[in-house]
Amino acid sequence: AQSVTQLGSHVSVSEGALVLLRCNYSSSVPPYLFWYVQYPNQGLQLLLKYTTGATLVKGINGFEAEFKKSETSFHLTKPSAHMSDAAEYFCAVSYSGGYQKVTFGTGTKLQVIP
Amino acid sequence: KAGVTQTPRYLIKTRGQQVTLSCSPISGHRSVSWYQQTPGQGLQFLFEYFSETQRNKGNFPGRFSGRQFSNSRSEMNVSTLELGDSALYLCASSLDTTSGNTIYFGEGSWLTVV
Repeated sequence: AQSVTQLGSHVSVSEGALVLLRCNYSSSVPPYLFWYVQYPNQGLQLLLKYTTGATLVKGINGFEAEFKKSETSFHLTKPSAHMSDAAEYFCAVSYSGGYQKVTFGTGTKLQVIP
Repeated sequence: KAGVTQTPRYLIKTRGQQVTLSCSPISGHRSVSWYQQTPGQGLQFLFEYFSETQRNKGNFPGRFSGRQFSNSRSEMNVSTLELGDSALYLCASSLDTTSGNTIYFGEGSWLTVV
């Protein structure tokens, strides 16, 4: 069975500071990993995804994430937070083989302080 | 290219009533999945359809049902509504059920049960 754990349901950073949102996964087979962002009253938008290949994945809006198999992690980072980054972020995992079923983490709300 | 379209966006129903939500996937996408999002439970997978067949089902009571039409449009139905069914219902589509495919979300249907 696959699962995702997001550490910290709320994270606050100052504008211009580093953003680090943590995600650890559990999967018995090679995972596919995703980060989605949800702005208030909207659906989820894909930030980036890892399937195979390069472990450092760059996404939209300056975000990137690194797949670390040894740590079963896929943390999301952005060097400098912007006010517009305030949103809820979801890490998700699916697994290779079989029908696609994406499991989401519980989400991390990012607050950006001016 | 139009995104995933969900209707209605907002609705209020009374306990005991039933509700039908509609989802039009991105053109060419044949897989449609549904999620329930609540503050307490986060994002929970309801079911997934591909080529008019339910491929995956989450852990929800039989009051929750869905279907997919030949044009890939999907509907979900909730009968005998309970207060706890108040949630944001998100529809997502992807090309097919191959793992690793990005799923694209609609903006959701906000259901309030009173």
